[in-house]
Amino acid sequence: SQKIEQNSEALNIQEGKTATLTCNYTNYSPAYLQWYRQDPGRGPVFLLLIRENEKEKRKERLKVTFDTTLKQSLFHITASQPADSATYLCALDPYNQGGKLIFGQGTELSVKP
Amino acid sequence: DAGVTQSPTHLIKTRGQQVTLRCSPKSGHDTVSWYQQALGQGPQFIFQYYEEEERQRGNFPDRFSGHQFPNYSSELNVNALLLGDSALYLCASSWLPGETQYFGPGTRLLVL
Repeated sequence: SQKIEQNSEALNIQEGKTATLTCNYTNYSPAYLQWYRQDPGRGPVFLLLIRENEKEKRKERLKVTFDTTLKQSLFHITASQPADSATYLCALDPYNQGGKLIFGQGTELSVKP
Repeated sequence: DAGVTQSPTHLIKTRGQQVTLRCSPKSGHDTVSWYQQALGQGPQFIFQYYEEEERQRGNFPDRFSGHQFPNYSSELNVNALLLGDSALYLCASSWLPGETQYFGPGTRLLVL
C-alpha cells in the first residue's frame, strides 16, 4: 500500500546540536516533497520544498535532502534552539496532480536548553 | 497582508447535527484545500476547490461537501456528524493548484 512514514517517537536533543528527522515513503514517485512545522493547536507552516532533481536544499539553519532511490527525505536543523521545538511534518503530492498533499504523521521535536 | 483565516476557531456539536466551517484564502490565492487532522496524526486531504469547482477529493464520504465562492473563499459542510468527525479542520490556500499551500489556524470541532 502507499504510505509516508516519519519517526514515530519524539526526538529530544540538547540545544546547539543538530536535529535530524526522517521521512520515508513507498509506492509513490513524487515530483517534490515538502516539510512543514506545526505548533500545538495551530496550522502547519511551510518550511521547504525540494524537487526530485534536487539532492539538497538549504534555508538558514535548515537543510533537506531527497533521495528518490531510497525514497527518503532527511530534514536537518543545525544549531538547534528551544524555539525549534514543534512537530515537523513531511508531505508529498503522490500523483503530481496539483495539491492533494499526503502527510506523514509528524515527528515531535523537543530541544532542551 | 492577511494570511489564511478560518472561522469559527472552536465549535461543539452533537451527533447527527450539521456544521459549516469557513475559510478565506491568502490574498492573491485562488485555490483552497481542506484537511482533517485527528489528534496525533498528520492532516488528511478532504478536497480541493479551484475556479469554484471541486477539483480533487480524498477518501471522505459524501457527508463532507464544500463550496467555493467567486471571491475564492470557501465553506466545508459536514452533515450527520459522528463522534469520529471530532478533529482540527484545516484550510490551505495556494495561488494555483500544485503550488505551495499556506495553512490557516484551523477550526477545532468537537462532536459529543
